[in-house]
Amino acid sequence: AQKVTQAQTEISVVEKEDVTLDCVYETRDTTYYLFWYKQPPSGELVFLIRRNSFDEQNEISGRYSWNFQKSTSSFNFTITASQVVDSAVYFCALSEATGGSYIPTFGRGTSLIVHP
Amino acid sequence: EAGVVQSPRYKIIEKKQPVAFWCNPISGHNTLYWYRQNLGQGPELLIRYENEEAVDDSQLPKDRFSAERLKGVDSTLKIQPAELGDSAVYLCASSFGVPANYGYTFGSGTRLTVV
Repeated sequence: AQKVTQAQTEISVVEKEDVTLDCVYETRDTTYYLFWYKQPPSGELVFLIRRNSFDEQNEISGRYSWNFQKSTSSFNFTITASQVVDSAVYFCALSEATGGSYIPTFGRGTSLIVHP
Repeated sequence: EAGVVQSPRYKIIEKKQPVAFWCNPISGHNTLYWYRQNLGQGPELLIRYENEEAVDDSQLPKDRFSAERLKGVDSTLKIQPAELGDSAVYLCASSFGVPANYGYTFGSGTRLTVV
């Protein structure tokens, strides 16, 4: 079973629209970490945010915001007023404390296309 | 500070040929990861090193893949012989201490095409 599910394979929006990328995770650990990474066409994975399982506060960083809800095992990512430069593949990842390894497991990614 | 450096950036080889990828992690990062990312998929772990010791290599196809991290710094991932299905992006990442606290840093990857 997938530990991290990103159900949206591809999302296409027009510039200035708001868009939410969904992430649902599965774990039995009480201590875990969630991440979002951006992968632009150049290929590198760019870190966006990290959240631990004890901190359910939502976070806002400029046009980016994240909604962490343990009750639904979700960690959704919203881009407000999207821009063409936001076009990329976005990955949600789960890092579990089991065995102390904290190896991140990635979802399949959501490709976001922002049209001018 | 330089990030995680990988080379080559791109590699095209014929099937059955050997290929090697190199990774230089961030200075001081004791943990090094090799991931494989197939087209349209998320990265999947191949092997993890703690210093020079491979502590998680259960996903590494050992019949054709090998890796080493001499002196606990640079690492090399080798495929011999390469197969068509090995075409993917190979990503290296490194971390320090409890990585979930300090994060993981990824390199730009090596895009391998096997023809």
